Amino acid sequence: GDSVTQMEGPVTLSEEAFLTINCTYTATGYPSLFWYVQYPGEGLQLLLKATKADDKGSNKGFEATYRKETTSFHLEKGSVQVSDSAVYFCALRLIYNQGGKLIFGQGTELSVKP
Amino acid sequence: GAVVSQHPSWVICKSGTSVKIECRSLDFQATTMFWYRQFPKQSLMLMATSNEGSKATYEQGVEKDKFLINHASLTLSTLTVTSAHPEDSSFYICSAPGPPQGYTFGSGTRLTVV
Repeated sequence: GDSVTQMEGPVTLSEEAFLTINCTYTATGYPSLFWYVQYPGEGLQLLLKATKADDKGSNKGFEATYRKETTSFHLEKGSVQVSDSAVYFCALRLIYNQGGKLIFGQGTELSVKP
Repeated sequence: GAVVSQHPSWVICKSGTSVKIECRSLDFQATTMFWYRQFPKQSLMLMATSNEGSKATYEQGVEKDKFLINHASLTLSTLTVTSAHPEDSSFYICSAPGPPQGYTFGSGTRLTVV
């Protein structure tokens, strides 16, 4: 079935370090891919998305490229800040199901120390 | 942008009582609402999909009689946890397909059953 797998956390980094959170997916169709961020006690906020192969989503210094050949959508940021501390979720949506449900990875907790 | 207002943000109830959680779409019509449950440090599990004017669709393993979902209008969907027990304690999040990001999430409800 369709699924998303993320690297396990927690990930602890020092401020200004480089961040990579790995995400791979399994899908029967051609999914759209998303990264969401969740701050403590809050709902989810869309961080970035990509709808087709080789698309690069970017926002707030974060980037992820839709790699069909490796079925991956790794999240990267060149220099993290303490304010980036949160839980990050990779997700997919199957295009044939417009407005359809999102399938989430298990989430990766990021902690950035000053 | 589109906003989904979720209330209450937190609730404590006694075992055996029922709790209602509301999600309202502001400035857009939500014909569909997704209801998720999230355990501490875990991913979001889709519980059910509600559609305005029709019965909700529940995911496998979710008790329909315990988690009553009603989509009364194009702007309101409710989840009622009936006869709540401590194992129902969790973080519940709603989400609606809506502009401009594709999905808009409520801020979540922290339910604690004592």
